[in-house]
Amino acid sequence: DIQMTQSPSSLSASVGDRVTITCRASQSISGSLNWYQQKPGKAPKPMLYDTSNLQSGVPSRFSGSGSGTDYTLTISSLQPEDFATYYCQQTYRAPDTFGQGTKVEIK
Amino acid sequence: EEHLVESGGELVQPGGSLRLSCAASAFTFSSYWMNWVRQAPGKGLEWVANINPDGSGKYYVDSVKGRFTISRDNAKNSLYLQMNSLRVEDTAVYYCARDRGPWGQGTLVTVSP
Repeated sequence: DIQMTQSPSSLSASVGDRVTITCRASQSISGSLNWYQQKPGKAPKPMLYDTSNLQSGVPSRFSGSGSGTDYTLTISSLQPEDFATYYCQQTYRAPDTFGQGTKVEIK
Repeated sequence: EEHLVESGGELVQPGGSLRLSCAASAFTFSSYWMNWVRQAPGKGLEWVANINPDGSGKYYVDSVKGRFTISRDNAKNSLYLQMNSLRVEDTAVYYCARDRGPWGQGTLVTVSP
């Protein structure tokens, strides 16, 4: 199985900060990488698919990049509604494994 | 608006069975891969299974192989998860999710004596 490792596991940031979350795969996943946002008690919300494609309705302050084994999610200017847990997921090969999550908290 | 609604979650004893359903609307269901993903209380996300558009290809996480069966009925725009030989560790919120698309709100499965 492909292992997905996110870093950091948690971070504290202020409104307006630039935030970067990384996701590393145990082997190349050729860009088949999705990002999700989850708030407490809610279903995960798809944010980006195939590394860098924004889902409909997702603000442009969210962006994704990467290739091979290393991928990043960047929030260019953190907003109050962005405080949540973020998960990456590879869909290159079944089982479609998730990272362990990164909790973004208010500093 | 594209929409998924799960149902069927409930309290069941270890060794029991349950069938989850997911109703899709506002998109061409028969064109997409569909997934089941679960989240145990206080834990992260775990992909469970997926199925290709015509139902001929199915994949499972090792921990549910031989116990869970994913299926779909494209005429009814519905996805299913038949869960047999349930274990305490299967307790989770189960989400239906479309490939590159929306997720449902989840349905809670509790396996407890």
